[in-house]
Amino acid sequence: GESVGLHLPTLSVQEGDNSIINCAYSNSASDYFIWYKQESGKGPQFIIDIRSNMDKRQGQRVTVLLNKTVKHLSLQIAATQPGDSAVYFCAEKDNDYKLSFGAGTTVTVRA
Amino acid sequence: KAGVTQTPRYLIKTRGQQVTLSCSPISGHRSVSWYQQTPGQGLQFLFEYFSETQRNKGNFPGRFSGRQFSNSRSEMNVSTLELGDSALYLCASSFFGTGNTEAFFGQGTRLTVV
Repeated sequence: GESVGLHLPTLSVQEGDNSIINCAYSNSASDYFIWYKQESGKGPQFIIDIRSNMDKRQGQRVTVLLNKTVKHLSLQIAATQPGDSAVYFCAEKDNDYKLSFGAGTTVTVRA
Repeated sequence: KAGVTQTPRYLIKTRGQQVTLSCSPISGHRSVSWYQQTPGQGLQFLFEYFSETQRNKGNFPGRFSGRQFSNSRSEMNVSTLELGDSALYLCASSFFGTGNTEAFFGQGTRLTVV
């Protein structure tokens, strides 16, 4: 698989490999985090969320890891497929009514 | 169930005009949030409405305003358009607010100001 230690705007991954997308958040008091996927011409699509009382949560082919010590969030995609090509955003809760979004990582899957 | 519907999908306006965008949330959702997405600034929060009340507002000038109706549909208005207002405007609906429950986004309205 491929991973990025720091947030990078782009990630190229071979089909079938695992992908890891990283995100740093700013508010140590945030207690809710979400990953979104945005395909070209569409709005962001919810992938998975995690609350601060957890450090790991798994979904279908995706896993989110939360490290509150260093304020770091990551999204792991297993067996990356062409349909996973998109921009991925992490978001943190600012308050009950507002999310702050990261800059986004563009994932390109190579056949 | 039907998703979040935003109309229109595309708009072209000239500087100085005003524009109104519409968002119909998922049935049963009472919170609607609006975001502006641009290549340079990413997703920026505009405001959030719940049961016809604005609960939170982002750092945008007063030219940006919104409202929510009793059926939870929301509109946002931008007056005296500037070139920099060109963006994808997204709305998100949720039961209680995007900070607490899963939020669903519409496809957005692409506004181009010329």
